Amino acid sequence: GAGVSQSPSNKVTEKGKDVELRCDPISGHTALYWYRQSLGQGLEFLIYFQGNSAPDKSGLPSDRFSAERTGGSVSTLTIQRTQQEDSAVYLCASSKGEAKNIQYFGAGTRLSVL
Amino acid sequence: GQSLEQPSEVTAVEGAIVQINCTYQTSGFYGLSWYQQHDGGAPTFLSYNALDGLEETGRFSSFLSRSDSYGYLLLQELQMKDSASYFCAVDANDYKLSFGAGTTVTVRA
Repeated sequence: GAGVSQSPSNKVTEKGKDVELRCDPISGHTALYWYRQSLGQGLEFLIYFQGNSAPDKSGLPSDRFSAERTGGSVSTLTIQRTQQEDSAVYLCASSKGEAKNIQYFGAGTRLSVL
Repeated sequence: GQSLEQPSEVTAVEGAIVQINCTYQTSGFYGLSWYQQHDGGAPTFLSYNALDGLEETGRFSSFLSRSDSYGYLLLQELQMKDSASYFCAVDANDYKLSFGAGTTVTVRA
């Protein structure tokens, strides 16, 4: 596609429920990243994919968070048993394999856990 | 780990020049990036400095001093549309960006 697409744009859920956030990267971009941004804060790295592999999951805050990428394209970030502190904007980015320093971001999914 | 410091807010009038400083501490360093984010929008790439010196892209310029662990973003001829948050980010290991908390730039008429 023309840009990085994320869905849903907004998600409201109840504490304890599971949520799935989707990211469609730019076609041909082999690298994909998930970040979390709390209100008024910078971006916090969560996970990096190269192709379908995730060589760096170091930013995932707990084992309630997981992510996968299939076909070297679409990625899903899953949060199980959501907590109120999970409320944030979840941003996905992609980049060309040879230029990972230039990352293209989606508009994010705003997650609110009640 | 990495830590970055940048001012939280800057206010200036249209046509003015604004400089946003960024100092960093990092265990690895490939380069320093700058991203712009409008309210509710996606961060967009502005510039990347891997080597010391000044990079100019239109009204925006970015500077890096690796020996001082310091960089800045210079916004010239400010326009209302430049009102946004600006983030510096250290590229510490060729893929992982560590972001500062962001500087909110407000441009007044």
